[in-house]
Amino acid sequence: QSALTQPPSVSGSPGQSVTISCTGTSSDVGSYSRVSWYQQPPGTVPKLIIYEVTHRPSGVPDRFSGSRSGNTASLTISGLQAEDEADYYCSSYTTSGTWVFGGGTKLTVL
Amino acid sequence: EVQLVQSGGVVVQPGGSLRLSCTASGFIFDDYAMHWVRQAPGKGLEWVSVVNWDGGTASYSDSVKGRFTISRDNSKNSLYLQMNSLTSEDTALYYCARDSYSSTLFIDSWGEGTRVTVSS
Repeated sequence: QSALTQPPSVSGSPGQSVTISCTGTSSDVGSYSRVSWYQQPPGTVPKLIIYEVTHRPSGVPDRFSGSRSGNTASLTISGLQAEDEADYYCSSYTTSGTWVFGGGTKLTVL
Repeated sequence: EVQLVQSGGVVVQPGGSLRLSCTASGFIFDDYAMHWVRQAPGKGLEWVSVVNWDGGTASYSDSVKGRFTISRDNSKNSLYLQMNSLTSEDTALYYCARDSYSSTLFIDSWGEGTRVTVSS
């Protein structure tokens, strides 16, 4: 059960777009559509922002989008805003019947 | 509104045991699978365990398998995590979390967390 691989940090200026990758294997990200993304501002509880690879819960701005190619899922945030500064985590169901998270990516809005 | 109320923080000695609890409200508890996820100080999220809607199926991360047991009491709208043989590596904030489905699909709601410190 190795953690999914995410870049430790990304940054962008307000209004720009950033993409966070989440690389797994054919036993997790590549096998199921059960890939989700969570946003966690400092000192707060994680919040679901993308589920089943591409779907947004109600209330999540359409600036957030998800995609997947092979064993790599991606979260793209367009039109960056200061309030987007947070840690972002991907997660995936696995063929072992377990779940795994990525190591997390710290987004800095310059 | 989904509410997941967790028990208070605790300090336990290495080798000791502890049971965490989480009481749910605002939804039909036995319609959903439930998870435990932990976050060590300054670290990322680590999935710990999931149990399906009726408690009949559970799975665990390799790091806790054989030491931790997840359970639920649907009559009390409560989720539990029995933690045995604790080590310093189990020190973390433990989140109770609701799945979106009766077996498992994705986590859609989180409790505020219970701080567990393993220290002598």
